[in-house]
Amino acid sequence: EIVLTQSPGTLSSSPGERATLSCRASQSVSSRYLGWYQQKPGRPPRLLMYGTSSRATGIPDRFSGSGSGTDFTLTISRLEPEDFAVYYCQQYGSSPFTFGPGTKVNIK
Amino acid sequence: EVQLVESGGGLVQPGGSLRLSCAASGFTFSSYVMSWVRQAPGKGLEWVSSISGAASTYYADSVKGRFTISRDNSKNTQYLQMNSLRADETAVYYCARGDYGSGWDFWGQGTLVTVSS
Repeated sequence: EIVLTQSPGTLSSSPGERATLSCRASQSVSSRYLGWYQQKPGRPPRLLMYGTSSRATGIPDRFSGSGSGTDFTLTISRLEPEDFAVYYCQQYGSSPFTFGPGTKVNIK
Repeated sequence: EVQLVESGGGLVQPGGSLRLSCAASGFTFSSYVMSWVRQAPGKGLEWVSSISGAASTYYADSVKGRFTISRDNSKNTQYLQMNSLRADETAVYYCARGDYGSGWDFWGQGTLVTVSS
């Protein structure tokens, strides 16, 4: 089983700041099958990025993804008020299709 | 417009059974992997099970032997039969559409399963 670890657990930032979220895998993950999701309270997850660096439909370009092997990053170039949420990474290339524990981005 | 609508959640006693459904519309259902993901109150996302368009099935170890995923492509619906439920499986259960090429791009609103006596 591929275990995903996310850091930091909580990120306190201000609107306009840059946010960098990390996802580390216990073994190599194909970059084709690494995704990021955003979740707000009481709402289902929303796909942000797939294939490491491709933005899902309707996702603004302030979101970007990078990485390979065991280290992946989601970057939000300038935080907007609606970006304060929990972010999960997921590998969906091989079963079990694991999620990371999440990074909560809250307002400083 | 893609829509996924879960149903079948509710209150069940420990050891009991429940069957969840996810009705899909707005896309060619048989072409997609469908999945169930759960989220316990205040916790993160946990993958439960997936089924391919050709009905190959995959399970998390924690539910293997107790849960059964299935699909009816003629009804555009997937199911999750859950047996021997435990209190720690109280969660919102989400239905998700997956594609190896574009991630898990659509999610239902979820259905709450409460396992309690």
